[in-house]
Amino acid sequence: ETGVTQTPRHLVMGMTNKKSLKCEQHLGHNAMYWYKQSAKKPLELMFVYNFKEQTENNSVPSRFSPECPNSSHLFLHLHTLQPEDSALYLCASSQDEGAETQYFGPGTRLLVL
Amino acid sequence: GENVEQHPSTLSVQEGDSAVIKCTYSDSASNYFPWYKQELGKRPQLIIDIRSNVGEKKDQRIAVTLNKTAKHFSLHITETQPEDSAVYFCAASNDNQGGKLIFGQGTELSVKP
Repeated sequence: ETGVTQTPRHLVMGMTNKKSLKCEQHLGHNAMYWYKQSAKKPLELMFVYNFKEQTENNSVPSRFSPECPNSSHLFLHLHTLQPEDSALYLCASSQDEGAETQYFGPGTRLLVL
Repeated sequence: GENVEQHPSTLSVQEGDSAVIKCTYSDSASNYFPWYKQELGKRPQLIIDIRSNVGEKKDQRIAVTLNKTAKHFSLHITETQPEDSAVYFCAASNDNQGGKLIFGQGTELSVKP
């Protein structure tokens, strides 16, 4: 599937590193999302962007910094992460921000040492 | 805010049997209920969804039922096959929450041949 892509697929970083996750959607959607998926926990919404504007920040620590330069691209900048931030980070998109189908990317498996 | 509870957390069935996964939600304003399937190491994929103006929806071997009064909805899989083995997530959303899908904890379904 190529609708929503994410890079890298795997990432190992130290607590003092700075890295970025990238998401790209080829579906012509206007809304994009970042989710965190930890073991034994529900998917947690982190950020929502609609037409490049952030509309939701679900009390996410400032060590996670999103960026949405256009409706097709979404980044998650990471710095000074903690081991408990290790998780699968999923990007999703939907036609518009609303109660409708979201399409997920394959995720980035992040390990913080 | 919305809270979604999903049961059971694990479910094991014999091939050919039916499987039922149940979710309850707390916000009576929720009007969109998708179900996602996530195979090991893969992205969540929408398998079926239902809106609050409909009580039941069916797509081949899968069906979803919604009881708005009781605030619960269920996924039914008939004639299960080994390839149905995956983690299934329910979610709830409403137009007043924008794109904020609230997910259940997930059910790990195992279909034994």
